[in-house]
Amino acid sequence: QQQVKQSPQSLIVQKGGISIINCAYENTAFDYFPWYQQFPGKGPALLIAIRPDVSEKKEGRFTISFNKSAKQFSLHIMDSQPGDSATYFCAAVTGGGNKLTFGTGTQLKVEL
Amino acid sequence: GAVVSQHPSRVICKSGTSVKIECRSLDFQATTMFWYRQFPKQSLMLMATSNEGSKATYEQGVEKDKFLINHASLTLSTLTVTSAHPEDSSFYICSARDLTGGEKLFFGSGTQLSVL
Repeated sequence: QQQVKQSPQSLIVQKGGISIINCAYENTAFDYFPWYQQFPGKGPALLIAIRPDVSEKKEGRFTISFNKSAKQFSLHIMDSQPGDSATYFCAAVTGGGNKLTFGTGTQLKVEL
Repeated sequence: GAVVSQHPSRVICKSGTSVKIECRSLDFQATTMFWYRQFPKQSLMLMATSNEGSKATYEQGVEKDKFLINHASLTLSTLTVTSAHPEDSSFYICSARDLTGGEKLFFGSGTQLSVL
């Protein structure tokens, strides 16, 4: 059972544009939601994370929007750059636990 | 930030041989480490949770005797793929949590295993 659904599967954005990736979850026990960036042949790297008690978190060009009632959260990448081209995974963690449930991933390509 | 070192980054082996992958937390202690498997263009699937000084906890469907995990110290966990077969070819990734740094999980750079 896929507990974290992620969309779109792939995304092409022009340089300078906004990239938006969406995730939805089912398990209301999740209480920590990180986003990871992965380049080919490398392990995932933590980008930004949020807890459900806030609706938005911004770090540089990356923003997470969180809608607890809808059980949805999204990643916005402002002023997208070619160097942002990578696969992005959302994830969710239950309270006090370490086990991550990953989304299916979004392959982002930023074109010049 | 915390660093997790994984070695080797790439290994090619013959069918029937065993391969050991190491995962080290370089600047922090990790009582718990995690091993994932990732197929091309797919998400990471948790294989097992490695606990320092005790037996690993395996996810449903993961063969314990095929994927041996040892977590002998607070900075090292190893995954041994025993009697490897071509279907074991995959990208294996470890992660560890820095207990002093909240809930952040740091990932190794992964190991690409190719079984011929």
